[in-house]
Amino acid sequence: QVQLVESGGGVVQPGRSLRLSCAASGFTFSSYAMHWVRQAPGKGLEWVAVISYSGENAYYAASVKGRFTISRDNSKNTLYLQMDSLTSDDTAVYYCAKSPYGDPGAEYFQYWGQGSLVTVSS
Amino acid sequence: DIVMTQSPDSLAVSLGERATINCKSSQSVLYSPNNKNYLAWYQQKPGQPPKLLIYWASTRESGVPDRFSGSGSGTDFTLTISSLQAEDVAVYYCQQYYTTRQNTFGQGTKLEIK
Repeated sequence: QVQLVESGGGVVQPGRSLRLSCAASGFTFSSYAMHWVRQAPGKGLEWVAVISYSGENAYYAASVKGRFTISRDNSKNTLYLQMDSLTSDDTAVYYCAKSPYGDPGAEYFQYWGQGSLVTVSS
Repeated sequence: DIVMTQSPDSLAVSLGERATINCKSSQSVLYSPNNKNYLAWYQQKPGQPPKLLIYWASTRESGVPDRFSGSGSGTDFTLTISSLQAEDVAVYYCQQYYTTRQNTFGQGTKLEIK
């Protein structure tokens, strides 16, 4: 069965960086686009970024563009999110989610990981 | 961005009764060339990630009980639970994926047992 396991979260000071990872199993990772979606404590869901199956194309929400970088290593079945210049507004649980398709487009989120909590605080 | 507005914000329904959650988009999410509504529903139980229930507004994801159904078109959509079970207590979100790579979610509806 599809499994997505995030790691790398924690407490970080404003302005610092953090990298999240998402280990995937149970499907052909290299065939599907992958997303990051976040949820601030007690709040709703916000899409963050998507990367194509090959890693060639990536797209970001306006709120993180220029600060976050999504990437993937298909040889390791792992998705990443490099987060720089963090602010308190980035405090959230970060979920990786599998697309039903290979290329980013009009898509829903088929499977979700358990999430990794990122807290930005001094 | 397309704004998704759910109603009500919270809902209490008796076991075995019908629960209805509404979702309205600020613009149509119906793509005329393929006649598909780019609308999904998710269930999030406390301490868990969201789970996909419905996509294309009315297609049930594999393994989702048939008491869950989705309906609507254009800008107005409904998630219906025909006979509420205790395990259905959760927050439910709608999501539009009509705008490519600019997915947006509703604010969520909290469903409880009366």
